[in-house]
Amino acid sequence: QKEVEQNSGPLSVPEGAIASLNCTYSDRGSQSFFWYRQYSGKSPELIMSIYSNGDKEDGRFTAQLNKASQYVSLLIRDSQPSDSATYLCAVNTGEDGGSQGNLIFGKGTKLSVKP
Amino acid sequence: DAGVIQSPRHEVTEMGQEVTLRCKPISGHDYLFWYRQTMMRGLELLIYFNNNVPIDDSGMPEDRFSAKMPNASFSTLKIQPSEPRDSAVYFCASSLDPSSYNEQFFGPGTRLTVL
Repeated sequence: QKEVEQNSGPLSVPEGAIASLNCTYSDRGSQSFFWYRQYSGKSPELIMSIYSNGDKEDGRFTAQLNKASQYVSLLIRDSQPSDSATYLCAVNTGEDGGSQGNLIFGKGTKLSVKP
Repeated sequence: DAGVIQSPRHEVTEMGQEVTLRCKPISGHDYLFWYRQTMMRGLELLIYFNNNVPIDDSGMPEDRFSAKMPNASFSTLKIQPSEPRDSAVYFCASSLDPSSYNEQFFGPGTRLTVL
């Protein structure tokens, strides 16, 4: 059974702090990794994708991937109350990193940013 | 672009009734996905289509669930007969061809309540 694990939280951080969200996955053959943000009552929206080991930065967001440790993380710098949401980690376990395969989602970490 | 369109947004029905959920993907997207989200199980893939053909339906919980995609712009997910444990939010998502590395765009979801 291919699994994606996340701490359900809630993770509470003060405004302006760095929020660190973590995710582990079981399938060593996984090729691509995604972070989705889901506001309460809304649908998931993609905020970051990462395919290679190392860091990928996009504005206040940094995704980190370590395939050897089967670990992917999301850092949010200068956290804002508007960042309060549930963050879903998703892993594509397709044989070809470019194929659709199946996205397996973690259950999400709820982040709360306090003003 | 209007994004992925789902209808109805809310559905309340009684146990034993047939339920049909509808989805219109983003024009030009070759892949369509049906997901179910609950607090207990998180976001689960039920089935996905490529060019209107079902590719993987291993996530469909049982024979009461069926999905069709008669053309590139329309898909249905049917539950017959419905049961209280089917209560969940059902999301439809679509994405481009494999070179897009699996970025999926989600519809607003249908909140289903089976009494």
